[in-house]
Amino acid sequence: QQQVKQSPQSLIVQKGGISIINCAYENTAFDYFPWYQQFPGKGPALLIAIRPDVSEKKEGRFTISFNKSAKQFSLHIMDSQPGDSATYFCAARVTGGGNKLTFGTGTQLKVEL
Amino acid sequence: DGGITQSPKYLFRKEGQNVTLSCEQNLNHDAMYWYRQDPGQGLRLIYYSQIVNDFQKGDIAEGYSVSREKKESFPLTVTSAQKNPTAFYLCASSLTGHRGYTFGSGTRLTVV
Repeated sequence: QQQVKQSPQSLIVQKGGISIINCAYENTAFDYFPWYQQFPGKGPALLIAIRPDVSEKKEGRFTISFNKSAKQFSLHIMDSQPGDSATYFCAARVTGGGNKLTFGTGTQLKVEL
Repeated sequence: DGGITQSPKYLFRKEGQNVTLSCEQNLNHDAMYWYRQDPGQGLRLIYYSQIVNDFQKGDIAEGYSVSREKKESFPLTVTSAQKNPTAFYLCASSLTGHRGYTFGSGTRLTVV
């Protein structure tokens, strides 16, 4: 059972454009929603994260938008650059679940010149 | 520099053989995790440990075993009972109750 559904599976964006990746969840016990960035052959690295009591969080060109009522959250990458080409994973943590993360299936982003 | 070291980076084994993947961290993190990554399936939790000498099964523990004898080390054994062991294996660590994970660079296991 996929508890965190991520879309799209792949995304091609022109340099300077906005990349948008979406995630949806059902479990209302999730209390922490991070995004990870992974380059080929490497482990994922934490990019940005949000708590459900906040509707938006911005760090540089990366923004998380969170809609608690719809149980959806998304990652926006502004002014996308070729160096942003990577796989992005959303994740969620259950309250009291021992800091275990449940990950989405990933989005492969390619930023073209 | 602190971090997580996974070794080896590539591992080839014959079908039916057990194999152990190494994970060492010098971040003084209490919790450690093993995830399996397959194309199109994201990361799935195999086992996790919050303290030394204690660990719990994740979502796909069948065919795997772990130990946590030292805070710094969390080796994963892929046994012959694992039906489809070829995958990219990722080890991670975090402070207890702290949300952020630090991942290693992974081990790609190929069973032939």
